[in-house]
Amino acid sequence: DVKVTQSSRYLVKRTGEKVFLECVQDMDHENMFWYRQDPGLGLRLIYFSYDVKMKEKGDIPEGYSVSREKKERFSLILESASTNQTSMYLCASRDGKRDPIVYGYTFGSGTRLTVV
Amino acid sequence: ILNVEQSPQSLHVQEGDSTNFTCSFPSSNFYALHWYRWETAKSPEALFVMTLNGDEKKKGRISATLNTKEGYSYLYIKGSQPEDSATYLCALYNNNDMRFGAGTRLTVKP
Repeated sequence: DVKVTQSSRYLVKRTGEKVFLECVQDMDHENMFWYRQDPGLGLRLIYFSYDVKMKEKGDIPEGYSVSREKKERFSLILESASTNQTSMYLCASRDGKRDPIVYGYTFGSGTRLTVV
Repeated sequence: ILNVEQSPQSLHVQEGDSTNFTCSFPSSNFYALHWYRWETAKSPEALFVMTLNGDEKKKGRISATLNTKEGYSYLYIKGSQPEDSATYLCALYNNNDMRFGAGTRLTVKP
């Protein structure tokens, strides 16, 4: 069963802490994505990566960075957590060899981060 | 930025009721529309991918239609069951960019 695994389901961190959210996929997918979901808003793209060592900013990259040192792992980093980064974070991957029109994402189950 | 709208934001129905909700999107440069189902504490799961105007897809009691000319897709659930309770997301794929709606949260009461 193919999977995208996010390391934590719930996380509580203090303002100013550096926070790492980990995402691992076992499908050999090239493309990986980090989204956040807030009530009343669609999933908003933070960063994405089309392959190892590559990264691109999404719509809301401010306050975040990412790391893609290995193909299977895509880490989201909150450099200095703030209360407005309290959210549900979703990781997704996609097979870069397949037609993206027809093949969508495989998602992780999300990390609910609370910054206090 | 592509704007994908879903309505209603939330919906409560009784077990056995049929229901439907809407995903609206800009009709220009349409490539594909994806529907996902997201149950609490689980990963969003792909339901349908729709690419052609007039497409109709069905999976069990759930079906979807697509109108690319007017920019909307309907998701129908026939005879809702409590296990259908979830957030239903639509996403518009357009030129290497996937845009999600805010979702419709469905609660089916036994």
